[in-house]
This record gives sequence, C-alpha cells and structure tokens, in this order.
Amino acid sequence: KAGVTQTPRYLIKTRGQQVTLSCSPISGHRSVSWYQQTPGQGLQFLFEYFSETQRNKGNFPGRFSGRQFSNSRSEMNVSTLELGDSALYLCASSLAGTGRSPLHFGNGTRLTVT
Amino acid sequence: KNEVEQSPQNLTAQEGEFITINCSYSVGISALHWLQQHPGGGIVSLFMLSSGKKKHGRLIATINIQEKHSSLHITASHPRDSAVYICAGLNNNDMRFGAGTRLTVKP
Repeated sequence: KAGVTQTPRYLIKTRGQQVTLSCSPISGHRSVSWYQQTPGQGLQFLFEYFSETQRNKGNFPGRFSGRQFSNSRSEMNVSTLELGDSALYLCASSLAGTGRSPLHFGNGTRLTVT
Repeated sequence: KNEVEQSPQNLTAQEGEFITINCSYSVGISALHWLQQHPGGGIVSLFMLSSGKKKHGRLIATINIQEKHSSLHITASHPRDSAVYICAGLNNNDMRFGAGTRLTVKP
C-alpha cells in the first residue's frame, strides 16, 4: 500500500507570495490533517479535513486555508507569505480521524520564505 | 505555560536500559498520540490512546485520563531507538503537542 505523499518536497517563495501544498493520503483514508513544524514552536496543528469537510482547526490566522477533494487528496494554501511561515509542513492521513485512529505522516514539504 | 509538558527534555541511556518518557497535560483530552521522529524529519505514529495501556513489541504506552498523564516505556533499549519522541493530546477539536524528548541510546 502506498504511503502518504506530499508534494513538493522543497519550496522557496518570496514574502507576500502565496503557496499551495499537496497531500495524497493512503488509499481508503478519509481524514487528512496538516501540521507546521518549526525549531522555535515545535509541532503545531493546522487543521483536519474529513470527507471534504473541515472538522478541526488549530490556532492559525486565516491566511492558512485548506481543502479536501472527493478522492481525499488535500491541499493547503498559505497566502501573503511571511518570513515566519518558513517551516516543515507535514500532513497525516488516518482512517477515521485524528481522535479515532493512528496517524500516518508524509515526509513533509520544507517551505523557505525569503 | 505549555498545555502539554514532556519530561525529560533530553535523555541518554545505555543499550539495554529501560526508558520512561512522561507526558502531562493541563486540559482535558479525548485521545493522546505518541509519535517518533528520526533525524531527517520522518514521523511515525507509535500509539493512539484514550484509556489504559497498549503494547507493541518493546514499546508500552499508558494513559490515566483522570490524572492527565501518559507514559511511554521502552524496554531493552537499542541505538536504533534514538529519536525524538513527541506526545500530542486531542482537545476540543484542537491538537496540542509536547516539545519532545530527545533520546540517545549508546551502544
């Protein structure tokens, strides 16, 4: 069974631009959750989508948004990039959701904002 | 103050030692995850708990919801167990992470 795939692996953007990251879950998994990891703040929860609906949301500004498609693939968008958005962005898929089944993480997208 | 506190921050052990990593949280949670992150960033989910105890190989995780505390134990530790271990609690549709425990197991 293929694992969770995140694309791209690396991304360099300029402050003020926007970026879209993609996450393809394990086949059959309906939940995709997104996380930001930085050396200063550690891991932080962004949001979770389940069957195309946002189910859970962390404490991030509205510049961070996401969506999930009918095939469970998910995208995360960050608009008006700031230097502080430089981070490793991870997604995880699970069968029944973050509170009900184990998480399977992708390898992440490393975003650098200059 | 972080809502999820892990201890210790850093831990060095000799191969074969029994290891305990603790996770305490100040808010009510419905479930808790233990994660392992190796150098290079890849994260593996070890356990998801909402009560009691789970065992997988040399790893054991326990949780006491009333006392707001969870522990991860590693028996017969091995250098390949060297990694950062992170606990994460699910609370009111949000997930809060501990800062992680960096474990180094020396041969």
